[in-house]
Parts: sequence; C-alpha cells; structure tokens
Amino acid sequence: DAKTTQPPSMDCAEGRAANLPCNHSTISGNEYVYWYRQIHSQGPQYIIHGLKNNETNEMASLIITEDRKSSTLILPHATLRDTAVYYCIVRVVGTYKYIFGTGTRLKVLA
Amino acid sequence: GAGVSQSPRYKVAKRGQDVALRCDPISGHVSLFWYQQALGQGPEFLTYFQNEAQLDKSGLPSDRFFAERPEGSVSTLKIQRTQQEDSAVYLCASSRPQTGQEQYFGPGTRLTVT
Repeated sequence: DAKTTQPPSMDCAEGRAANLPCNHSTISGNEYVYWYRQIHSQGPQYIIHGLKNNETNEMASLIITEDRKSSTLILPHATLRDTAVYYCIVRVVGTYKYIFGTGTRLKVLA
Repeated sequence: GAGVSQSPRYKVAKRGQDVALRCDPISGHVSLFWYQQALGQGPEFLTYFQNEAQLDKSGLPSDRFFAERPEGSVSTLKIQRTQQEDSAVYLCASSRPQTGQEQYFGPGTRLTVT
C-alpha cells in the first residue's frame, strides 16, 4: 500500500532554508506527491505538488528525485509563522484515498 | 470567497449517542473528502464524493459510520452509537475534480465521546 516516511521533527533558524525530506518509495508512476502543512487547531493547508519535475511557487520549492522515491520540500527563508506540521502525501493507486502519514513537526527558532 | 465550513466546531457526546457532522464545501467544488484525525496523528481518509456519488468509502472504520451528500453540495457524516475511540477531529475538504488539484480543508469538528 502507499506510504510516506518523514522525520518526526526538525528545527530551523529563522531566515534560513528549511529542507524537509520525505520517502515515498511505493509511489506509482502516475501519482503526484503533495505537500500540506497544518498549524495547530487548523485544517491542513496546501503548499505544493509535483509529478516528476521540480516545482516552485510563492510558498516553497519541491525537489523530486529522478526515481521518484523521495522528495524534499524547501522553504527558502523560514519565518516563525512557518512553524507547523508538514505532511508529504500520496494517493493509493486506483482509489481516492490520500495517505498523510504522521508528518514532520517543524519548529522555526528566533 | 468563503472557504470550507464545518459545524459544529466542537461536539461532546456520551457513549452510545448518535452524532451528525456537517460540511459546507466551496461553491462549485465537485469533490468532497472526509478525514479523521486522532490526537497527534495525521489525517486518515474516510470517504470521497464526486457530486452526490460516494465513489470511495474504503476508509470508513465500521458500519457505524455513514456519509451522505444528497444534492452534491452539503455533506453530513453520521456516527451511530459513538464509542470512545471515535474521539477525534473530523476534517472535510473539497476540490475541483481534476487530478492534481489541491484540497481545501475546513477547520474540522472536534468530537469528544465521554
């Protein structure tokens, strides 16, 4: 079954880049990788998604390895407001079931 | 524009009671998802609707859980004979139906079963 693996927690200094890794070795060839974040007591918020190529938007960059078995979310200049739980998500092939996993709790330090 | 709204925000139920949780998706969003999030865990998929059709209910944990979306807009998640292990935050999300579209989440309903 589809599965994602992320480190449980990370710290990052304010203003520095935060690099959050995710392993999704069971992903199928046609499935996207999605990243969301969840700030305490709120619903998850979409950040970015990708298929094969690296992606960038106003929030973050997504680097996907050539074999698509892992990816890294990059927050280029982390701020205190980026403190949240970050989830790497894949969908189970042939279903509408998205797998969130347990996420990485990122703490941005002043 | 208005985002996804859920009501109630908090619900306390005694064990054995039935509860109904409501989700108002973003207008025009065809896809609607329900997730269950236990304390300290990531959201877990429960069910998916495309318009009024429930296309995937593989995540519903038991036959006590039932979801509907009769007119393809508002959705209700019903839990019958609640048990303590049902205590969680129930999240609703909506999206456009195309592959690769982002899901917009509501704030969730926190259910506590005593």
